[in-house]
Amino acid sequence: DSGVTQTPKHLITATGQRVTLRCSPRSGDLSVYWYQQSLDQGLQFLIQYYNGEERAKGNILERFSAQQFPDLHSELNLSSLELGDSALYFCASGDSSYEQYFGPGTRLTVT
Amino acid sequence: AQSVTQPDIHITVSEGASLELRCNYSYGATPYLFWYVQSPGQGLQLLLKYFSGDTLVQGIKGFEAEFKRSQSSFNLRKPSVHWSDAAEYFCAVGDSNYQLIWGAGTKLIIKP
Repeated sequence: DSGVTQTPKHLITATGQRVTLRCSPRSGDLSVYWYQQSLDQGLQFLIQYYNGEERAKGNILERFSAQQFPDLHSELNLSSLELGDSALYFCASGDSSYEQYFGPGTRLTVT
Repeated sequence: AQSVTQPDIHITVSEGASLELRCNYSYGATPYLFWYVQSPGQGLQLLLKYFSGDTLVQGIKGFEAEFKRSQSSFNLRKPSVHWSDAAEYFCAVGDSNYQLIWGAGTKLIIKP
């Protein structure tokens, strides 16, 4: 158990809808990272927050957004969903070093 | 540009046999190197890391990796694999912004 929690575990929704994925980092970790993992694209870094501020952006679509709250939990919002957004979404947390600790993921299915 | 290459998409090994998974990186400075494992349906777990010092690093689950600067490699090894080692393995290098640059992963299949 990494200490990172993600909810929900599974999510099934229709095209055009909006969903919110939630992540609680390990106790004491200030950084939260979001990743998308799909069969054709592999593991893709989306975005990183550090202590409430956006620190780095990867291959995140404009339809996606994230935020980190004062209690350090983070939410990833996915809107105008398309079939191609079906994937595993991982959250990871870390301190000021490179080590990242991954949550169990949310499996999103868009139908 | 910084990059990580895992040349093998799949590797099949018999249970009890030795394993070596390859990882090559491209990075200008001294790299910080990582191996992660992802079991089916699970998140990624840190196996081991290299920051400096001894170039042979030990990790969890009996894995080790050797940093070879001259070959820009950080190969993962295990002397005897178990069926429970079947998983996907990811190599990563840390960049100057504390981000991880990931390889595409190698899926390990264990033959009984």
